[in-house]
Amino acid sequence: AQSVTQPDIHITVSEGASLELRCNYSYGATPYLFWYVQSPGQGLQLLLKYFSGDTLVQGIKGFEAEFKRSQSSFNLRKPSVHWSDAAEYFCAVSTGTASKLTFGTGTRLQVTL
Amino acid sequence: NAGVTQTPKFRVLKTGQSMTLLCAQDMNHEYMYWYRQDPGMGLRLIHYSVGEGTTAKGEVPDGYNVSRLKKQNFLLGLESAAPSQTSVYFCASSSRGETQYFGPGTRLLVL
Repeated sequence: AQSVTQPDIHITVSEGASLELRCNYSYGATPYLFWYVQSPGQGLQLLLKYFSGDTLVQGIKGFEAEFKRSQSSFNLRKPSVHWSDAAEYFCAVSTGTASKLTFGTGTRLQVTL
Repeated sequence: NAGVTQTPKFRVLKTGQSMTLLCAQDMNHEYMYWYRQDPGMGLRLIHYSVGEGTTAKGEVPDGYNVSRLKKQNFLLGLESAAPSQTSVYFCASSSRGETQYFGPGTRLLVL
C-alpha cells in the first residue's frame, strides 16, 4: 500500500528566509504527487502537482517542488517566505485507482517577523 | 461557480444520534470523496464514488454510509454517532485522473 511521510511536524522560519518542507512517499508505480496548503479553519488548496515530465514543478504563491525518483521524495521549496505562508502543508500521493489520495500527516509552518 | 460546498459547517451531536452531511459540486466531476481530518493524522479517506449510483469503501469506512443518487451530490451518513467520530470532514471532487478539489469542511462534535 502507498504511504506518505512528512518527517517535520512543525517548522518555524523567519520572514524572508528560505523554506524546504520534506515529503517521502512509498508507492510501487509512477506516482502522482501533490502539495496542498490549509490555513486555519479552512479547506485544502492545491499548491502544485506532479504527474509526469519535468521533475521541477512550479506552483502558486511562489512555491516549487522537485520530484526525485531515486530518493522517493517530493520536497516543497520557497526562496523567501512571507508571513501569510503560515499554515499547514500536506503532501499527498494518488493511486491509479479512482485517483484516491493518501496524505502525509502534515507540517505546520510558523513564520516569525 | 461555487466549486465544492458542504452543509452544515458545524454540528454538535449526542452519542447515538444520526445525521447526514451533504456535499455538492458544480464542476461536473465524476469522482467524489469523503475524508476525515484528525490532529496529527492528516486526512484519511472514508468512502468514495466514481460515478452516480456507485460507492466504495476507503481507509476508515466503519460507522459511515454514503450515497450518490445524483452526480453532483455525495452524502455521508452517521447512523449512530460515537465520540470517536468527532472530527473535521472534508468532501472533494475530481475529474477522472485529475486533481481533487476540496470543500471548506464540516466540524462535527459528538458528545
